[in-house]
Amino acid sequence: QVQLVQSGAEVKKPGASVKVSCKASGYTFTNYVIHWVRQAPGQRLEWMGWINGGVGNIRHSQQFQGRVTISGDTSASTAYMELRSLRSEDTAVYYCVGESEYYFHFWGQGTLVTVSS
Amino acid sequence: QSALTQPRSVSGSPGQSVTISCTGTSSSVGGYKYVSWYQQHPGEAPKLMIYDVSKRPSGVPDRFSGSKSGITASLTISGLQGEDEADYYCCSYAGDYTWVFGGGTKVTVL
Repeated sequence: QVQLVQSGAEVKKPGASVKVSCKASGYTFTNYVIHWVRQAPGQRLEWMGWINGGVGNIRHSQQFQGRVTISGDTSASTAYMELRSLRSEDTAVYYCVGESEYYFHFWGQGTLVTVSS
Repeated sequence: QSALTQPRSVSGSPGQSVTISCTGTSSSVGGYKYVSWYQQHPGEAPKLMIYDVSKRPSGVPDRFSGSKSGITASLTISGLQGEDEADYYCCSYAGDYTWVFGGGTKVTVL
């Protein structure tokens, strides 16, 4: 049973950074690409980027260029997403998702990040 | 990447059919067979319903079907049921290892 378990909710002040983790189980971490997708309250899904656990390739959406860092720890079967210079508009649920051949198959439970002064 | 265009809402009575459109560009929907659809109930993570334009994962009822023509993909729900009331998002591969989602469509069962 493939599972992606994310870290808990976070509350951050504007200008701070947040790092969300996503631990994979039930499959070999290096066999899947892990994506990050976010959803602001009442808003659409937004694709943020991905990491290939097997070879370490990473790609970020241009929308978040310079503010987001996606990384991974193969030994811990865990992917990470760090977002810097947080603003109120970054308040959202952040999901990690396992990709299978260009579609998003396995979703984490989501992590709520609240940015508030 | 601009979001794919979906209607904000569609509705239908139980047993009826509804179709949700998803319009992109020749660089997204029109250029690849990698269109997928996701169902999201309030407070839950999205769930894969359709991939590769028209394929259904195991466990998804055959009431759900997908198609594509040019730069527009469509999701059809036949024999609408109460549990189908949810938000639906389309997603397309957009080349250069990037993806783009639609704005989402709320399906209401009358």
